Amino acid sequence: KAGVTQTPRYLIKTRGQQVTLSCSPISGHRSVSWYQQTPGQGLQFLFEYFSETQRNKGNFPGRFSGRQFSNSRSEMNVSTLELGDSALYLCASSSDVRVGGYTFGSGTRLTVV
Amino acid sequence: SQKIEQNSEALNIQEGKTATLTCNYTNYSPAYLQWYRQDPGRGPVFLLLIRENEKEKRKERLKVTFDTTLKQSLFHITASQPADSATYLCAPNNAGNMLTFGGGTRLMVKP
Repeated sequence: KAGVTQTPRYLIKTRGQQVTLSCSPISGHRSVSWYQQTPGQGLQFLFEYFSETQRNKGNFPGRFSGRQFSNSRSEMNVSTLELGDSALYLCASSSDVRVGGYTFGSGTRLTVV
Repeated sequence: SQKIEQNSEALNIQEGKTATLTCNYTNYSPAYLQWYRQDPGRGPVFLLLIRENEKEKRKERLKVTFDTTLKQSLFHITASQPADSATYLCAPNNAGNMLTFGGGTRLMVKP
């Protein structure tokens, strides 16, 4: 079956702009989570969506937001980009993470200049 | 606050040897613990999950132990191969779909 698909793969944006990243989960997976990965901070949880509802949220400013559609596809948005937002943004889907873990996408590499 | 510690220094071993990676956690009691492998520029890949009532779990050349008294999990790769070179992440978790990951340990297997 197809894996988790993230688009775009690479993105370069200017400070102050906004960006939208997209994630298509594995078919049948209703939970989608987003993580930010940087060399200094490692993998940090952003938020989790289940059946179009945000179920968990990490410790990130309000500039980071997301949503999930009825087909389980998810988007995350970062407004007023800062240089420190440069990172690999990873999307992960699961049916039940307590059983089969997450399936991650390959990520979107965001560079803010 | 909850803390997860993995050795941040790279582990270098010779091909054919057993690699042992450590994951220590403090200030919480996870109901289960997961291990992932991550290659550069890619997303992590799920390897194994072990529950608090399981002492040990195996999958092919991989073995994971979970000691809730020591608050530690050990991850072993037997008969290691250069293709096993990657960063390995642990994620102890209490419940729900929100995983917290350790910083990862980079494993380098030399031919």
